[in-house]
Amino acid sequence: NAGVMQNPRHLVRRRGQEARLRCSPMKGHSHVYWYRQLPEEGLKFMVYLQKENIIDESGMPKERFSAEFPKEGPSILRIQQVVRGDSAAYFCASSGDRASYEQYFGPGTRLTVT
Amino acid sequence: RKEVEQDPGPFNVPEGATVAFNCTYSNSASQSFFWYRQDCRKEPKLLMSVYSSGNEDGRFTAQLNRASQYISLLIRDSKLSDSATYLCVVIDYGGSQGNLIFGKGTKLSVKP
Repeated sequence: NAGVMQNPRHLVRRRGQEARLRCSPMKGHSHVYWYRQLPEEGLKFMVYLQKENIIDESGMPKERFSAEFPKEGPSILRIQQVVRGDSAAYFCASSGDRASYEQYFGPGTRLTVT
Repeated sequence: RKEVEQDPGPFNVPEGATVAFNCTYSNSASQSFFWYRQDCRKEPKLLMSVYSSGNEDGRFTAQLNRASQYISLLIRDSKLSDSATYLCVVIDYGGSQGNLIFGKGTKLSVKP
């Protein structure tokens, strides 16, 4: 039973390029969450999605960041025109039942902006 | 005031020692509490939930004091494999709609 999968595991982008991070939730899970962890910092909530719906994006930066979770396929976190400050580990988590709050994390994508 | 505060450590202890971590949270409406463990450059993994009555899982004991808005984790008989960063996590209702709010973590290093 595969856990939460994220790819790529490592991503290097030059300033101004676009970064696309993918997350496939655990089998049977329909709730997806994205978190960002800056160096030496705690994880910060970014966005919560269900299939085809953004439920809570209160943690997303207002510009350049977007997320989707289409009916088919993985959830995508997209960062346009990346800057050095976007360098971080981006973790995706999924849960099967919102009420349980037990979220299972993927291995993360480490984004480096040069 | 930060939402979830932890002593960053590091805590350097010998094998077999007992070590305790503390965490405070600012929102008195917080409803659910957890300890996660994060190994270096890995994803967080749920260690245990924290209940008002306190709970124990093997060598690990978690306590919650709602009046003081304080959570603790006690590790007995430390093993080398316990070396990691321990994250205090809080969920509250309201604006965050139940999303996890993480402390920065307390780093533990268990030495032979």
